[in-house]
Amino acid sequence: NAGVTQTPKFQVLKTGQSMTLQCAQDMNHEYMSWYRQDPGMGLRLIHYSVGAGITDQGEVPNGYNVSRSTTEDFPLRLLSAAPSQTSVYFCASRLDRGIGNEQFFGPGTRLTVL
Amino acid sequence: RKEVEQDPGPFNVPEGATVAFNCTYSNSASQSFFWYRQDCRKEPKLLMSVYSSGNEDGRFTAQLNRASQYISLLIRDSKLSDSATYLCAVNRGTGRRALTFGSGTRLQVQP
Repeated sequence: NAGVTQTPKFQVLKTGQSMTLQCAQDMNHEYMSWYRQDPGMGLRLIHYSVGAGITDQGEVPNGYNVSRSTTEDFPLRLLSAAPSQTSVYFCASRLDRGIGNEQFFGPGTRLTVL
Repeated sequence: RKEVEQDPGPFNVPEGATVAFNCTYSNSASQSFFWYRQDCRKEPKLLMSVYSSGNEDGRFTAQLNRASQYISLLIRDSKLSDSATYLCAVNRGTGRRALTFGSGTRLQVQP
């Protein structure tokens, strides 16, 4: 199993550009989520999904869209990049909504917005 | 007040030392608790879940104190390889059922 994979590893954007961060998992997990990690702020939840076709907002959803057309994939779209979106983005998955399940993280995407 | 709070450290300890971290949570209804380890520029990885009765895994012991709303992580006989950031995570068990993370405690074990 590859686990949770993310592409790209690094990205530099100019203000106003859009892009999609890719996330895929091969563990047949229902629950997937996107976090951003900023110094001193910890991991903050952007969006999450409890299964294909179902997504919802997390703590900091503004400026981001998600979709979940398959169990495996959960892309994160930046609509119009802003310098405040410079961060490290982690995708995560776990088996289902069960709260005791281990959550696995992808290797992260380091995004810089100029 | 943040939902999950940790002392950012760094904790600088010599090899072989015992070190303990605490993490406080504000929502008394929180139901599940975890410690994650994050190495520099890497993704977080689960270190251990924290059970009501406490649990131990080798040199690592995790405890939950519901009355005072904190979890703790004790590392005995510290190794250089234990140097990392330790994140606590809490799941309220309602609503989103998402993990809420503290901002992490950095540990540096010195030779």
